Amino acid sequence: DVKVTQSSRYLVKRTGEKVFLECVQDMDHENMFWYRQDPGLGLRLIYFSYDVKMKEKGDIPEGYSVSREKKERFSLILESASTNQTSMYLCASSLIAADYGYTFGSGTRLTVV
Amino acid sequence: TQLLEQSPQFLSIQEGENLTVYCNSSSVFSSLQWYRQEPGEGPVLLVTVVTGGEVKKLKRLTFQFGDARKDSSLHITAAQPGDTGLYLCAGGGGNNNDMRFGAGTRLTVKP
Repeated sequence: DVKVTQSSRYLVKRTGEKVFLECVQDMDHENMFWYRQDPGLGLRLIYFSYDVKMKEKGDIPEGYSVSREKKERFSLILESASTNQTSMYLCASSLIAADYGYTFGSGTRLTVV
Repeated sequence: TQLLEQSPQFLSIQEGENLTVYCNSSSVFSSLQWYRQEPGEGPVLLVTVVTGGEVKKLKRLTFQFGDARKDSSLHITAAQPGDTGLYLCAGGGGNNNDMRFGAGTRLTVKP
């Protein structure tokens, strides 16, 4: 069964901490994505990557960075966590997304206190 | 950024009822997708529609893509409690890879 695995289901971090969210896929997909999901706002695209060592900003990149050193792994980094970054974070991978859709991980619920 | 508006935001019905939820935009999409998300899980792809006017059926679910490829609907016949979840629509971005999502319709089907 193909999978996108996010390293943590729940995280609690303090304001100002550097936070790493890890995502691994086993489908050999080139495209990987990070979204955050908030009630009433849906999924908002933070960053995405079409290949190793490349990255593109999504709609809300401020306060985040990403790393893709290997094809199967895409990490989201919160440089200095703030309370407004409390959210559900979803990682996804795809072939051509418009044709085949995304495969999502189960999400990481991050709380910043 | 292309915006997708979904309606209604919440829907609570009894088992056996029919329902339709909508996804609308002012933008034209090359394709549109529907996902269902259950609590504590990521969204799961239900269908992709590509051609204007296209209708796809998945058991009791019927998906339609508008003629102008700006809107879509999802109709569920004889809803069951197992249909409960958040239904999300997503449209292809300019390069067909970075999809944009609506806020979703949260459906509750009561036994």
